Amino acid sequence: GAGVSQSPRYKVAKRGQDVALRCDPISGHVSLFWYQQALGQGPEFLTYFQNEAQLDKSGLPSDRFFAERPEGSVSTLKIQRTQQEDSAVYLCASSLARLGWDRNTIYFGEGSWLTVV
Amino acid sequence: GIQVEQSPPDLILQEGANSTLRCNFSDSVNNLQWFHQNPWGQLINLFYIPSGTKQNGRLSATTVATERYSLLYISSSQTTDSGVYFCAASYEYNNNDMRFGAGTRLTVKP
Repeated sequence: GAGVSQSPRYKVAKRGQDVALRCDPISGHVSLFWYQQALGQGPEFLTYFQNEAQLDKSGLPSDRFFAERPEGSVSTLKIQRTQQEDSAVYLCASSLARLGWDRNTIYFGEGSWLTVV
Repeated sequence: GIQVEQSPPDLILQEGANSTLRCNFSDSVNNLQWFHQNPWGQLINLFYIPSGTKQNGRLSATTVATERYSLLYISSSQTTDSGVYFCAASYEYNNNDMRFGAGTRLTVKP
């Protein structure tokens, strides 16, 4: 596609439910990032993939959060046993660069808005 | 990690006015970028500017790395400039962990 695509755009989950958020990066982009953005705040880094390798997952807030990119293209962020504090926008971004942010432009998706009730 | 602070947190302008947004960062960085988040949540990269000055139409940015700040200038503002402007920076040795500031929310009134 022309841009980074995320689905679902909106998700309401009951506390304790598992959710899966999908990201389709721009075709051919090597680097893929997940960010979490709480209301009124800047995005916070969650994890980074270079192709299928998850090179940095230092931002994942707990072991309930898991991300994968098995074939080096589509990525899924899974949140198990959701809690109210998980309510946020989850942003995916991709870049042609091999070295993460580097000098290449980063393209963000429109985000998946998760509300846990 | 890097601390990124932006000011002002909110800014209201009349269409046609100029503005300056500031980003301070706590340590030496090798990567600094400015983004605009539109009302629908889309983050658009404006500038990659770890040092020096760049211009793109009505927007320009300057980073003084030795003094650990960056400025984003918006001239002749338009209502479509409204949204949140974020500054983000990363260390050279952990280029993947880009830290964002809390943003400046700009409202341009017609």
